[in-house]
Amino acid sequence: GAGVSQTPSNKVTEKGKYVELRCDPISGHTALYWYRQSLGQGPEFLIYFQGTGAADDSGLPNDRFFAVRPEGSVSTLKIQRTERGDSAVYLCASSLSYLDEQFFGPGTRLTVL
Amino acid sequence: GENVEQHPSTLSVQEGDSAVIKCTYSDSASNYFPWYKQELGKRPQLIIDIRSNVGEKKDQRIAVTLNKTAKHFSLHITETQPEDSAVYFCAASASLGAGNMLTFGGGTRLMVKP
Repeated sequence: GAGVSQTPSNKVTEKGKYVELRCDPISGHTALYWYRQSLGQGPEFLIYFQGTGAADDSGLPNDRFFAVRPEGSVSTLKIQRTERGDSAVYLCASSLSYLDEQFFGPGTRLTVL
Repeated sequence: GENVEQHPSTLSVQEGDSAVIKCTYSDSASNYFPWYKQELGKRPQLIIDIRSNVGEKKDQRIAVTLNKTAKHFSLHITETQPEDSAVYFCAASASLGAGNMLTFGGGTRLMVKP
């Protein structure tokens, strides 16, 4: 079956702009995670959804970052007033339940000029 | 919060040799320890994982060991092949019913020379 997909694969924006990054999890997976990976580093946790609700958003760096998952499937990560320090690869992962293996998407490479 | 340290940051071995990557974690509540392989520009892929109720797990050429007392776990790859060349990440989490948020180590770049 299809794996986790993310769009766009690349996003270049200017400082101060708003961006939306989309994640399509594996069908039937209830748990969804967003991570951010800077160059040469391991992924860092941002937010976790169980179903439609954000069960843990403790990894979001500040209030410019927000994510939704309105129907318990597709999720969108929203970044307001982007800064150059937001440049990274944003990874989405899903799992059948919170106890199961996380499958990662290919990521969205965000570049803020 | 959890902190995961990973060593070495780079590892070069000859094809056919073994490779060992070590990680330590700080949170004694952590109970799930996956290892991911990430090729350049690709997504992380799970290669093996271990839970805190076992001390060792093997899958063909790959094995993971866990020492809960010392809070460290290791990845062992035997008979390395050039296609094993990639960045490997260890991770830890405490899946206590409120999610399974992974804390990753800094990664190890493994180079297998033919």
